[in-house]
Amino acid sequence: EDKVVQSPLSLVVHEGDTVTLNCSYEVTNFRSLLWYKQEKKAPTFLFMLTSSGIEKKSGRLSSILDKKELSSILNITATQTGDSAIYLCAVGEPYSNYQLIWGAGTKLIIKP
Amino acid sequence: NAGVTQTPKFQVLKTGQSMTLQCAQDMNHNSMYWYRQDPGMGLRLIYYSASEGTTDKGEVPNGYNVSRLNKREFSLRLESAAPSQTSVYFCAIALLDTNTEAFFGQGTRLTVV
Repeated sequence: EDKVVQSPLSLVVHEGDTVTLNCSYEVTNFRSLLWYKQEKKAPTFLFMLTSSGIEKKSGRLSSILDKKELSSILNITATQTGDSAIYLCAVGEPYSNYQLIWGAGTKLIIKP
Repeated sequence: NAGVTQTPKFQVLKTGQSMTLQCAQDMNHNSMYWYRQDPGMGLRLIYYSASEGTTDKGEVPNGYNVSRLNKREFSLRLESAAPSQTSVYFCAIALLDTNTEAFFGQGTRLTVV
């Protein structure tokens, strides 16, 4: 059965710390891995990683895909209270009408 | 989120009542999805529609029906609501056959008492 597992489930750090969130997957046919940030409402898109784009960076956030290890990490440096959110990972399969398989998320709390 | 409009935002139903959640998009995307999100369980796919006039079951379709009448609109219906359907529901859209992210509506918080 296809699945996506995120770790840790929750994390509390202080402002200024660096955090690393993990996402591992087992899918029959991998197409892409996506990271989303969810605050109080709908998930908002952060990054998409594919075989042709295994590393992405935007400001203090960066993400790497490791296709050998079937995993990805999301790094956030110099964390701010506004980074507090649930971070979701999803994997897309090419032969299933682009259904996304979602992890349960990591709840990140940044203390001032 | 721009492009995906979901209504209502909140709803309380009594067990056995019915309701329809509406989703409309103006991004001209092919595929549309309905998810439910429960604490600690991530997003679970209820139904999806790859194109106008077609629908398919997702991971948790029982107790729900959907309708894709045109390219813009995809509705989710609960015929006889149950407390187990208390959840947050999200409509999402994506481009089929391309590597692109999914865009979400703002969600509907549904409580069934």
